[in-house]
Amino acid sequence: AQSVTQPDIHITVSEGASLELRCNYSYGATPYLFWYVQSPGQGLQLLLKYFSGDTLVQGIKGFEAEFKRSQSSFNLRKPSVHWSDAAEYFCAVGGPTDSWGKLQFGAGTQVVVTP
Amino acid sequence: ETGVTQSPTHLIKTRGQQVTLRCSSQSGHNTVSWYQQALGQGPQFIFQYYREEENGRGNFPPRFSGLQFPNYSSELNVNALELDDSALYLCASSLGQNSGANVLTFGAGSRLTVL
Repeated sequence: AQSVTQPDIHITVSEGASLELRCNYSYGATPYLFWYVQSPGQGLQLLLKYFSGDTLVQGIKGFEAEFKRSQSSFNLRKPSVHWSDAAEYFCAVGGPTDSWGKLQFGAGTQVVVTP
Repeated sequence: ETGVTQSPTHLIKTRGQQVTLRCSSQSGHNTVSWYQQALGQGPQFIFQYYREEENGRGNFPPRFSGLQFPNYSSELNVNALELDDSALYLCASSLGQNSGANVLTFGAGSRLTVL
């Protein structure tokens, strides 16, 4: 069965410091992988996605993620965090063995940015 | 480009009642997926609609039902509400029935409280 694990429930980072959010997945075929961000009271916004090809994916707002098949991971990174990056971040997996539009989300990582 | 809009934004119901939530998909999108996000959790896939038919369903009972209209807008209906149905209900639209169907654009959600 497909699943997503985000090991860190909560991360605190200083503004200007680097950020890495971990994501591990389980999927029976080549996965489609996504990172979404959710600000309070808002829906989810797509940061980046991986379908195939280059394993380092660039997204919006200066985020990038690296797909590592051997580790079943898709970690999200940002070199320098801004106060506006404080939000909840969700990793998700989907793919051709599931219904189109069906994504399995992790439980999320809450990011707090301190001055 | 018009994004995904949902209504109402907040509503309160009592146990046993019925609720209808509405969603207008993003311009150019023909597929709608519905997700339930309980407090502190990631979104859970309810079902997807394509060409006015349910085209995939998650682990939700039949009292969760939906419709898609010719203009691609959609409704989520929940009968016999239970306390555990209290959640943020997210609508997401996408295009087609291939990998693009997994690139979801989310609305801001409808917050349902069941008392």
